[in-house]
Amino acid sequence: GESVGLHLPTLSVQEGDNSIINCAYSNSASDYFIWYKQESGKGPQFIIDIRSNMDKRQGQRVTVLLNKTVKHLSLQIAATQPGDSAVYFCAENPLYGGTSYGKLTFGQGTILTVHP
Amino acid sequence: DTEVTQTPKHLVMGMTNKKSLKCEQHMGHRAMYWYKQKAKKPPELMFVYSYEKLSINESVPSRFSPECPNSSLLNLHLHALQPEDSALYLCASSYWTDSNQPQHFGDGTRLSIL
Repeated sequence: GESVGLHLPTLSVQEGDNSIINCAYSNSASDYFIWYKQESGKGPQFIIDIRSNMDKRQGQRVTVLLNKTVKHLSLQIAATQPGDSAVYFCAENPLYGGTSYGKLTFGQGTILTVHP
Repeated sequence: DTEVTQTPKHLVMGMTNKKSLKCEQHMGHRAMYWYKQKAKKPPELMFVYSYEKLSINESVPSRFSPECPNSSLLNLHLHALQPEDSALYLCASSYWTDSNQPQHFGDGTRLSIL
């Protein structure tokens, strides 16, 4: 079946470095993608999203890149801080017959650890 | 702080008990969701409510019974659960189920079945 996956299950970086978290998706019918951050004991927190008609979107210290040709999504975090340590999930919203039903599918997650 | 509030934060229950999880949002969202998340795994969709009507049931066992009393509230009634149902149960909401609408999550109820 269709799935969203992550290449790297864990990522360790030094404070101040830039971080890149990758995600591969296989459902060509997906037209909307979201990155979430989940800290221990909390629910997923929305970070940034991107529509399929875009290839790049920037937020505060974060950038999401979408490559539809190879079905690849990435999250770049600039000047990573210890507070960025968390599990990061990508999620895709596939269309069914051209309709969205809100059926988000999550990737497996990447654990980001930022060392002071 | 999340704008989706879930209660209780923790729940321990026996397999014969009946309990309910509650979720509330006041963002005017018309779509609400229940997810189940096992440790070290991603959230998995259980139910979708759109305009207070159940639109998606992802083949969830009948021992889980969702209810949407109004546009701000979502409940999950639990009965005769199994130990494998122990998990973090997350509620989310969005303006509607259309694409381009991010879902916003609560912090979940951590459920333990004895």
